[in-house]
Amino acid sequence: ETGVTQTPRHLVMGMTNKKSLKCEQHLGHNAMYWYKQSAKKPLELMFVYNFKEQTENNSVPSRFSPECPNSSHLFLHLHTLQPEDSALYLCASSPVGLAGGPGTGELFFGEGSRLTVL
Amino acid sequence: AQTVTQSQPEMSVQEAETVTLSCTYDTSENNYYLFWYKQPPSRQMILVIRQEAYKQQNATENRFSVNFQKAAKSFSLKISDSQLGDTAMYFCAFRAAGGTSYGKLTFGQGTILTVHP
Repeated sequence: ETGVTQTPRHLVMGMTNKKSLKCEQHLGHNAMYWYKQSAKKPLELMFVYNFKEQTENNSVPSRFSPECPNSSHLFLHLHTLQPEDSALYLCASSPVGLAGGPGTGELFFGEGSRLTVL
Repeated sequence: AQTVTQSQPEMSVQEAETVTLSCTYDTSENNYYLFWYKQPPSRQMILVIRQEAYKQQNATENRFSVNFQKAAKSFSLKISDSQLGDTAMYFCAFRAAGGTSYGKLTFGQGTILTVHP
């Protein structure tokens, strides 16, 4: 079982659909992240959660709605997306250092959810 | 804000040869971490090697080593004795060490490396 598991691996949806991406980590980490990976572009940080609290929203449109019910699970709810939102969505986790310090800085990634918006 | 630039969209190398991937970055921070991540065709990204900016010695991990030039803001990855399993997209990433940066990595555009038999 991999440390960070994402489902579904592939998702095709219309612009009026509502769907959700799920991420689960089995590493005992306290920070979780959503990244967007588009072709020929650097990975874009979308959201950061530390101890279930959202600490970063990188100017993401409201049609993307994250949810973090506990430190092990992270969701990305999708609603009325646009074709340009088609991308690979990567979930990652990391330990948080003492007193919120940097720790090792390493992220542990899932395999991603490939989203296609028609 | 930090930026990370990988100027080589694609590279290729023969098996058992050595290849170097380039990365430059721009930051006003003095203390930070630099990383190389590998994303094979199966897509799960994994850490290859990490360098702390305060360490002058270049990091090495088996066949992987870096050439860290802090003044030049350069951080290249050398892969020795290339293997077919090294075929992947490689990302250079930066993270400031202080403040509330946690895992906020800034990534480069990536370099697709193909190892030929």
